[in-house]
Amino acid sequence: DAKTTQPPSMDCAEGRAANLPCNHSTISGNEYVYWYRQIHSQGPQYIIHGLKNNETNEMASLIITEDRKSSTLILPHATLRDTAVYYCIVRSANAGGTSYGKLTFGQGTILTVHP
Amino acid sequence: DVKVTQSSRYLVKRTGEKVFLECVQDMDHENMFWYRQDPGLGLRLIYFSYDVKMKEKGDIPEGYSVSREKKERFSLILESASTNQTSMYLCASSFMGRGRTEAFFGQGTRLTVV
Repeated sequence: DAKTTQPPSMDCAEGRAANLPCNHSTISGNEYVYWYRQIHSQGPQYIIHGLKNNETNEMASLIITEDRKSSTLILPHATLRDTAVYYCIVRSANAGGTSYGKLTFGQGTILTVHP
Repeated sequence: DVKVTQSSRYLVKRTGEKVFLECVQDMDHENMFWYRQDPGLGLRLIYFSYDVKMKEKGDIPEGYSVSREKKERFSLILESASTNQTSMYLCASSFMGRGRTEAFFGQGTRLTVV
């Protein structure tokens, strides 16, 4: 799986958009970008994923650049409860094979939302 | 809702004991994973399984083994617990195949080896 690079920490004011960047310059054509977050003392929680097109769900939006070498997770109106570690992961989309499904976590970005 | 349930939230064991951490998922997922999480080191994959009785080593398998006799259950075994295995252990599961294959995590087991 391709390696990802994220800033170690970011701050955001409550009610503002939080934009979390991720670089994945070695991503290959069959790899998805996944985002998870981990709130203190809980297991990681899935947020969103995408392949080429931008994606939006009830939690966030994912913007993937045209060359797919980087992406941005957007929390449109951050709240104090969004304070967490956010992980960007690249994962193979190929079915079958023993390496499929393996999730490799980096260090993530600690997002702190302040009042 | 998908549920991944880990048998214990907190566990204290003695050095040299054999320790079993159990994980059960209720979504018929093919893939199951065991991670450990330590401050400054993030989540590291210990083992994963993509089918019953099938397993693959992750990044840090030394000192651990796993068992998957039934699809819904994945056990992590510490053959002889040591103090450096004190950690938070997280189990996860996911579907295999194209499309929506996000992993669902349990709440974690905080293991202390004394």
